Amino acid sequence: KAGVTQTPRYLIKTRGQQVTLSCSPISGHRSVSWYQQTPGQGLQFLFEYFSETQRNKGNFPGRFSGRQFSNSRSEMNVSTLELGDSALYLCASSLDRRQELFFGEGSRLTVL
Amino acid sequence: QQQVKQSPQSLIVQKGGISIINCAYENTAFDYFPWYQQFPGKGPALLIAIRPDVSEKKEGRFTISFNKSAKQFSLHIMDSQPGDSATYFCAASRTGANNLFFGTGTRLTVIP
Repeated sequence: KAGVTQTPRYLIKTRGQQVTLSCSPISGHRSVSWYQQTPGQGLQFLFEYFSETQRNKGNFPGRFSGRQFSNSRSEMNVSTLELGDSALYLCASSLDRRQELFFGEGSRLTVL
Repeated sequence: QQQVKQSPQSLIVQKGGISIINCAYENTAFDYFPWYQQFPGKGPALLIAIRPDVSEKKEGRFTISFNKSAKQFSLHIMDSQPGDSATYFCAASRTGANNLFFGTGTRLTVIP
């Protein structure tokens, strides 16, 4: 059974640009969550999607957005990038609300 | 405000020894407490999880001890091996919510 797949794995952007990250959940998993991991703030919850609807949202500015498609694949977008957005962005999938989250390897974003 | 406090920040243990990592939480609504293991360049992987209806859960060399009254839980790694060297995160959430609140992580080094 394939795990959670995230693309791209690494990317470099400059301030002011926008970025889109993609996540394919484990087959059969309908819930997709996104987390930001930084050395200073640790792992922080961004948002969760289930059946194409955002079900929960963390404390991040509106520049961070996401969506989920009918096949459960998800994308997150960050607009007007800031230096502080440099981080590892992790996607996790789960079976509905069972809470066992399975993480992908992440997309490492560097903002210059 | 850190919802889950984790200690120590780093831990060095001899091969065959016991590694102990502690976490504390404030929100009494939390009822799901997982531990994640993360290797460099990888996403966190679920190690073991516990719910408050039990005080201990053991899976192989890994044991979670849970103290509901003290709002504390800990991970014990018995017979620690060099392959256990990784960063460990405790987390907490409440039923029906897939947003995990993570501790700040413990970097474990097991010396051969």
